[in-house]
Amino acid sequence: DTAVSQTPKYLVTQMGNDKSIKCEQNLGHDTMYWYKQDSKKFLKIMFSYNNKELIINETVPNRFSPKSPDKAHLNLHINSLELGDSAVYFCASRKGTREEYGYTFGSGTRLTVV
Amino acid sequence: SQKIEQNSEALNIQEGKTATLTCNYTNYSPAYLQWYRQDPGRGPVFLLLIRENEKEKRKERLKVTFDTTLKQSLFHITASQPADSATYLCALEMDSSYKLIFGSGTRLLVRP
Repeated sequence: DTAVSQTPKYLVTQMGNDKSIKCEQNLGHDTMYWYKQDSKKFLKIMFSYNNKELIINETVPNRFSPKSPDKAHLNLHINSLELGDSAVYFCASRKGTREEYGYTFGSGTRLTVV
Repeated sequence: SQKIEQNSEALNIQEGKTATLTCNYTNYSPAYLQWYRQDPGRGPVFLLLIRENEKEKRKERLKVTFDTTLKQSLFHITASQPADSATYLCALEMDSSYKLIFGSGTRLLVRP
């Protein structure tokens, strides 16, 4: 009965590879996000989708491409992985776009690029 | 430049005391401010939200204040317990921006 689930939890891969991280929420929320947490624990927004539409695309390299097949899923595909992509990636969801709701986060995917 | 600052040093307190964590921001005009708890290896968990026109919000042992003049929020945990040990993150949201901007968090250690 996990609210926001991400897979895989850990991902170790070589530079240059392409990988995907999946996210699903069973809360019926309309808005989903991808955040990146670097080694200094700083959480930075990458993308946001509302009802399958992209509403936020921060200055993220084109190698990162989100996909939302339906409002319960938001996947993240990364091409040509680089060492600097190593971080923990969190998926989150919120009831709407309105600011009065808190976010529900997944438990994160730790990506290590070697 | 825009900044959200939380004390990077861990706050170490005795069980039963009140923990007070600070969040200061510059060059933002947030409509909302939120506080989250993050445990090692886990995602942040939402605790409280306070609006720009609210001075104070309470939930059980938690209290948040929001001073838009000082550009500061204080987060209090009364009667602290070792189980309260975690990193606490503050986050701002501007009106209709659709995104939360996080501070880097303060680690709280509650000694038994």
